[in-house]
Amino acid sequence: DTAVSQTPKYLVTQMGNDKSIKCEQNLGHDTMYWYKQDSKKFLKIMFSYNNKELIINETVPNRFSPKSPDKAHLNLHINSLELGDSAVYFCASSRLNTEAFFGQGTRLTVV
Amino acid sequence: GNSVTQMEGPVTLSEEAFLTINCTYTATGYPSLFWYVQYPGEGLQLLLKATKADDKGSNKGFEATYRKETTSFHLEKGSVQVSDSAVYFCALSPGSNFGNEKLTFGTGTRLTIIP
Repeated sequence: DTAVSQTPKYLVTQMGNDKSIKCEQNLGHDTMYWYKQDSKKFLKIMFSYNNKELIINETVPNRFSPKSPDKAHLNLHINSLELGDSAVYFCASSRLNTEAFFGQGTRLTVV
Repeated sequence: GNSVTQMEGPVTLSEEAFLTINCTYTATGYPSLFWYVQYPGEGLQLLLKATKADDKGSNKGFEATYRKETTSFHLEKGSVQVSDSAVYFCALSPGSNFGNEKLTFGTGTRLTIIP
């Protein structure tokens, strides 16, 4: 009965590859997010969707493309991976203006 | 825009010591304030929250009071344990329908408790 689940937990891939990270929430929340956490633990919002509509798109390379097929899912696709994309990516969900619930994270390593 | 400033770590304390992690914020309107904790290798978990001025959030012996006059939300615990070792994040949510709702996080404070 995991609230926010994301897969895979670990992802090791070569530069130039395309990869996806999937996220699902079973909390009935309207809003979902992707955050990037760097090696210094700093958290930065990347995208936010509310009712399947993009509401926040921070300064993120357009190699990153979120897709929300329905309110319970928000996937992240990354094209042409670069070394600097290595980080931990967190999916989260919330009701509007309330606390967010986070997934366990996906540790992406680009080699 | 909104921002959160929290004390830089790392913070190292002995078991049973008193803990304070400072957090101040800048925001328009009436934000909600949160403390999240991240244990090694895990995602973020909500530790406590406060949604209006003078509210006190508390959980697992941790407390924080929403001080609008000083725009602060400092985290405190009277007697820390080794199991409290983690990274702590202060965060705010706008609290109004500005159409740009998101959690804004501080930089995180790594806490290590030694026996």
